[in-house]
Amino acid sequence: DVKVTQSSRYLVKRTGEKVFLECVQDMDHENMFWYRQDPGLGLRLIYFSYDVKMKEKGDIPEGYSVSREKKERFSLILESASTNQTSMYLCASRGGSGANVLTFGAGSRLTVL
Amino acid sequence: RKEVEQDPGPFNVPEGATVAFNCTYSNSASQSFFWYRQDCRKEPKLLMSVYSSGNEDGRFTAQLNRASQYISLLIRDSKLSDSATYLCVVRGVKAAGNKLTFGGGTRVLVKP
Repeated sequence: DVKVTQSSRYLVKRTGEKVFLECVQDMDHENMFWYRQDPGLGLRLIYFSYDVKMKEKGDIPEGYSVSREKKERFSLILESASTNQTSMYLCASRGGSGANVLTFGAGSRLTVL
Repeated sequence: RKEVEQDPGPFNVPEGATVAFNCTYSNSASQSFFWYRQDCRKEPKLLMSVYSSGNEDGRFTAQLNRASQYISLLIRDSKLSDSATYLCVVRGVKAAGNKLTFGGGTRVLVKP
């Protein structure tokens, strides 16, 4: 089974801090995604990457950046965390162009004080 | 209008009963459709894909109505363990990545 691992399950940060959320998948998937999930708003796509060093903005990229230096690792960066970025962050990966199934990590719950 | 819309529920279902709910999508060019299940405080997991002719997986039946732009999920003989949030997912036609868009989820509570 594909495994998607998010390094931190719970984080508490202060406003203005730089935050790194790491995600690693072990099945050589091309596509990786970062979502945030908020009550009443569902899952919203922040950024995705379809190859090493490639990235595309999702629906809500403002305040975030990403890095994909290696195929298995996709990092989400909050340059200056704000309280409205308190959320559950979910990383997912998916195989090649013919694949449809997203496999999610367990999520990282970030609280910004 | 949201791209993918679901009734948030909750649908309170007696154990053993049947429950059905829909998901509407706005882009008529959408290509693929899925139901994901998310348990409380857990990550979403694929429940089933939705095929044009409709498909069944045990007690779960999924259907697609392209003319009216909705998909449905029906759960027969509900079990307590079916309590979860069911997320409708639509795959559009877009450049690299073929973005998957999630609905807000429908919460189902199965009660004894």
